[in-house]
Amino acid sequence: EAEVAQSPRYKITEKSQAVAFWCDPISGHATLYWYRQILGQGPELLVQFQDESVVDDSQLPKDRFSAERLKGVDSTLKIQPAELGDSAMYLCASSSGTSGGRGDTQYFGPGTRLTVL
Amino acid sequence: DQQVKQNSPSLSVQEGRISILNCDYTNSMFDYFLWYKKYPAEGPTFLISISSIKDKNEDGRFTVFLNKSAKHLSLHIVPSQPGDSAVYFCAAGTDSWGKLQFGAGTQVVVTP
Repeated sequence: EAEVAQSPRYKITEKSQAVAFWCDPISGHATLYWYRQILGQGPELLVQFQDESVVDDSQLPKDRFSAERLKGVDSTLKIQPAELGDSAMYLCASSSGTSGGRGDTQYFGPGTRLTVL
Repeated sequence: DQQVKQNSPSLSVQEGRISILNCDYTNSMFDYFLWYKKYPAEGPTFLISISSIKDKNEDGRFTVFLNKSAKHLSLHIVPSQPGDSAVYFCAAGTDSWGKLQFGAGTQVVVTP
């Protein structure tokens, strides 16, 4: 069964350092999402791509976060510099995108657990 | 501004009994709703969904009910099994580019 791949699974860093997370969506999925999940809360969308284009990054803290999906396949989310409040689970999801994302089932990867010290 | 709310952080149920999880939303523009299940150290797994044009959708042991006038949906699991012990997230989306709003989750524990 096809899955969304993410790496690393765990990352510990010190504040002010740079970190990067990688996501490989299910093959053929046009829509890719990055979510942040703080302990005790539900996932919150950071950025959504349709192919290589950003369609929603309204909740992305753009002063320190960046995301790219250069060839419309895999994606990288970067934080620079990391702050203590960035400690969370970072989840990647993908969907087929055949209807522009609306109503498409989103399939999630295992996530990257980030701890900022 | 939390538009999707799961007011019960935890639920304990005996194996074989019914589990009922509740979810309320405030945005009347939401037109489809989903439930995800999450085990520790894993990403959420899609469970079941419902469109706003329906009031019920069933898939095996899982049934989702939607009450649009009350802006409320519920997930019924019958019968509950030990493998159902997980965190369950309610999510809602609008007629746009697929952005989902998630609730905070309900931890379900199924006891033998």
